[in-house]
Amino acid sequence: SQELEQSPQSLIVQEGKNLTINCTSSKTLYGLYWYKQKYGEGLIFLMMLQKGGEEKSHEKITAKLDEKKQQSSLHITASQPSHAGIYLCGAVPLKFTGGGNKLTFGTGTQLKVEL
Amino acid sequence: EAGVVQSPRYKIIEKKQPVAFWCNPISGHNTLYWYRQNLGQGPELLIRYENEEAVDDSQLPKDRFSAERLKGVDSTLKIQPAELGDSAVYLCASSFRTGAYPYSPLHFGNGTRLTVT
Repeated sequence: SQELEQSPQSLIVQEGKNLTINCTSSKTLYGLYWYKQKYGEGLIFLMMLQKGGEEKSHEKITAKLDEKKQQSSLHITASQPSHAGIYLCGAVPLKFTGGGNKLTFGTGTQLKVEL
Repeated sequence: EAGVVQSPRYKIIEKKQPVAFWCNPISGHNTLYWYRQNLGQGPELLIRYENEEAVDDSQLPKDRFSAERLKGVDSTLKIQPAELGDSAVYLCASSFRTGAYPYSPLHFGNGTRLTVT
């Protein structure tokens, strides 16, 4: 079965600092999704990457998918307290033929931003 | 547009009791998912519906869990009887899947936090 590993498991940064979260798959992916979750709440969709080498940005968050489509990084520039939460990567494997969107998730990276 | 709505937000029950969770997906979304999230872990899929049909329930513990999606809209997930290990957050998600866009992002509700004592 597909496994997604995220690193680091947790991260504490000072406000204004940059940070990177990584997500690695044991299999080639069809799509890689990044979500953010605040404690006690659902997952908020951030970005989806499908093409090898693809990069997307939204405000101060940039996500990249490597050429082999097995590794993704999420980079936050000039972090703010509003960026705090749990970041989860989810993926659909390339050879999934079951239809629909059977997302498998990583274990998440907990981000704390200190003032 | 209204998001995915789940109720209740919190539920505390004693073991061996039944419990049910309700989900109203985003209007027009044909695919509905139930995920379970244990503390410190990512969500794990329990069941996926395409319209009224359960197309993937391989991860659903069928001896105690059941689900239904009436008329292809709202869905209910039931546990009977609940066990201590069922304590978790139960998340509902929905998406709009077409042949041209089969992997559209999932949109999640806020979940139901279940505590079994």
